[in-house]
Amino acid sequence: DTAVSQTPKYLVTQMGNDKSIKCEQNLGHDTMYWYKQDSKKFLKIMFSYNNKELIINETVPNRFSPKSPDKAHLNLHINSLELGDSAVYFCASSQGQLTTQYFGPGTRLTVL
Amino acid sequence: GENVEQHPSTLSVQEGDSAVIKCTYSDSASNYFPWYKQELGKGPQLIIDIRSNVGEKKDQRIAVTLNKTAKHFSLHITETQPEDSAVYFCAARTNAGKSTFGDGTTLTVKP
Repeated sequence: DTAVSQTPKYLVTQMGNDKSIKCEQNLGHDTMYWYKQDSKKFLKIMFSYNNKELIINETVPNRFSPKSPDKAHLNLHINSLELGDSAVYFCASSQGQLTTQYFGPGTRLTVL
Repeated sequence: GENVEQHPSTLSVQEGDSAVIKCTYSDSASNYFPWYKQELGKGPQLIIDIRSNVGEKKDQRIAVTLNKTAKHFSLHITETQPEDSAVYFCAARTNAGKSTFGDGTTLTVKP
């Protein structure tokens, strides 16, 4: 019954590594998002895809590359991980851009 | 770009009291204002939202008011219960779909 799911839930890795986080939604939504929540709980949008097309790309280092193979999936690949990348990353989805966003459970990334 | 300010950052109330959280926004193009509740270890969950053509919306113990002229909106929770304890976020969204979140309010309801 999970609406928006993310894997993995926890990710611990060394600086300089490359890692991916996966997101899937089974709500039939056409828009998906990635958010970063830092240690102070501040939530910031990173990317948004509508029908597999990138529509929002905030000031995010180009080490972060989202990929949407289909409308139900939006993955986040991060190259050359840095200490400052440690955060909780949330995926979300909505039908259109002005409706309720449903958030996934989050992926806690720790870079050592 | 949009800037959303949220106050207070922490709020402690006694069970049964009311709680009010306020947000201001800067971009007059923002026209959708959701409120989210985030419990420990979970993702934010929408609790109520309001669009720019509406001044007030209520859902049981939760209400939201919007003043477009002053660019501020507020969340009101009445008869608070311990399970209302969480972090609450306001957000403002434009037609382009970009949401800007406030910095969050940690609400503690003491039994």
